[in-house]
Amino acid sequence: SSELTQDPAVSVALGQTVRITCRGDILRSYYANWYQQKPGQAPILVIYGKNNRPSGIPDRFSGSSSGNTASLTITGAQAEDEADYYCNSRDNSVNHWVFGGGTKLTVL
Amino acid sequence: QVQLQESGPGLVKPSQTLSLTCAVSGGSISSGDYYWNWIRQHPGKGLEWIGYIYNSGSTYYNPSLKSRVTISVDTSESHFSLRLSSVTVADTAVYYCSRGTQLYFDYWGQGALVTVSS
Repeated sequence: SSELTQDPAVSVALGQTVRITCRGDILRSYYANWYQQKPGQAPILVIYGKNNRPSGIPDRFSGSSSGNTASLTITGAQAEDEADYYCNSRDNSVNHWVFGGGTKLTVL
Repeated sequence: QVQLQESGPGLVKPSQTLSLTCAVSGGSISSGDYYWNWIRQHPGKGLEWIGYIYNSGSTYYNPSLKSRVTISVDTSESHFSLRLSSVTVADTAVYYCSRGTQLYFDYWGQGALVTVSS
C-alpha cells in the first residue's frame, strides 16, 4: 500500500515536547520528509531524510524512523509551531510521491 | 534562493482544461538533478501529488490523475506548466508548484487557487 497515515490532531503545552507520527509500508524503503503549513501559506520543508534540517529551521525540530513509522519531534514547542504537519515519502514501486493526511498541532 | 510562482486563470468551467504555469527564478530549471512538481490541496484538506517533470523531459503522474494530466517544461522561458483536462468541481483546489530532489520537495510556490464552476 502507498498510504501514509497520520493522527489528525495533536496538542502540546507550551515549552513541552511533542511527537507527530507517520505510518506506512513505503517508509521501510525511504525516509519520511516533514512539512509545516500555516493557514494561508505554502508548506515549508522542516525535516528531510534521516534527520536533516534545511537552513533556517530551528534545532528543536528533529526526525526519527523505525520500521514503518517515522516521527517528527518538537522539543520545547513554541506558539509559532502551531500548524499542520505533513509527512511524505516516495513510493519507488510506482515511482511517485505520497503525502500523509496531515496532523494539526495545537500549542496550548 | 530559488523562487517559484504559479500563474493562470482562477476560474475554470466544468469539462474545460485547467492550465497553470510555474515561473522559476534564482536557479536554472534545466540544471541539476531536480524534479519539477505540481501538488494540489483541496479546500481544508491535505496535499496531493499530481506529477513531475524531470529536466530530461521525463514525466510521471499520480495514477489517479494520469489520464487527464500533462506537465511540460519550457527551459528557454524557465517555466513549467500543468494542464488538467475535463475538470469537475472536484478539481477545485490550491495548486502548488514545487522543486524536488529525488528525496524531498525543497522549494514551493505560494499556490494558486483554481475554482471549477459554471
